[in-house]
Amino acid sequence: KNQVEQSPQSLIILEGKNCTLQCNYTVSPFSNLRWYKQDTGRGPVSLTIMTFSENTKSNGRYTATLDADTKQSSLHITASQLSDSASYICVVRRNNDMRFGAGTRLTVKP
Amino acid sequence: DAGITQSPRHKVTETGTPVTLRCHQTENHRYMYWYRQDPGHGLRLIHYSYGVKDTDKGEVSDGYSVSRSKTEDFLLTLESATSSQTSVYFCAISYDSDGYTFGSGTRLTVV
Repeated sequence: KNQVEQSPQSLIILEGKNCTLQCNYTVSPFSNLRWYKQDTGRGPVSLTIMTFSENTKSNGRYTATLDADTKQSSLHITASQLSDSASYICVVRRNNDMRFGAGTRLTVKP
Repeated sequence: DAGITQSPRHKVTETGTPVTLRCHQTENHRYMYWYRQDPGHGLRLIHYSYGVKDTDKGEVSDGYSVSRSKTEDFLLTLESATSSQTSVYFCAISYDSDGYTFGSGTRLTVV
């Protein structure tokens, strides 16, 4: 069983709408959590990093939350754009070991 | 992606043949990694390097070997390719083993 579970696996929304992606993890001990965006045919690119003491962090229209007690994180995308169509990957670090979720495939339609 | 390039971008090879993928960086980062990405799975670590000639195995290292003779180059070799090694391979670099910069990937098909 993967130590980082993401939901939903895929999501289709209309341009301009908001959406929230979920990441639950069992990785322990926890060092940090990152959200990556992966465009089709490209490598993942870091969007944000969350440490244990951080609850919320924003990067433009992207807002990540972390609840270290329940081991859950979410990525909220506001006012989606067509360019947001991509896979979003949650990565949890444990010491020097990275654990990757399988990703959520987001499609934004006009 | 700035500072890291993978070659080739696409390759089709036959079962049983050796294949070498190359990762080249211009950032002088100490850490380099090879991952594979398959549908339904998160990126899985094959091998990594923490310096010239210093490498170690990841969680899916069977059937793969690596070499790092220079800081800038990290080679991944499939000694005898199998169909189960059909995948997209990503190289990543890191200054401090934390934040990664990924290459654009190599799509390998073993027929």
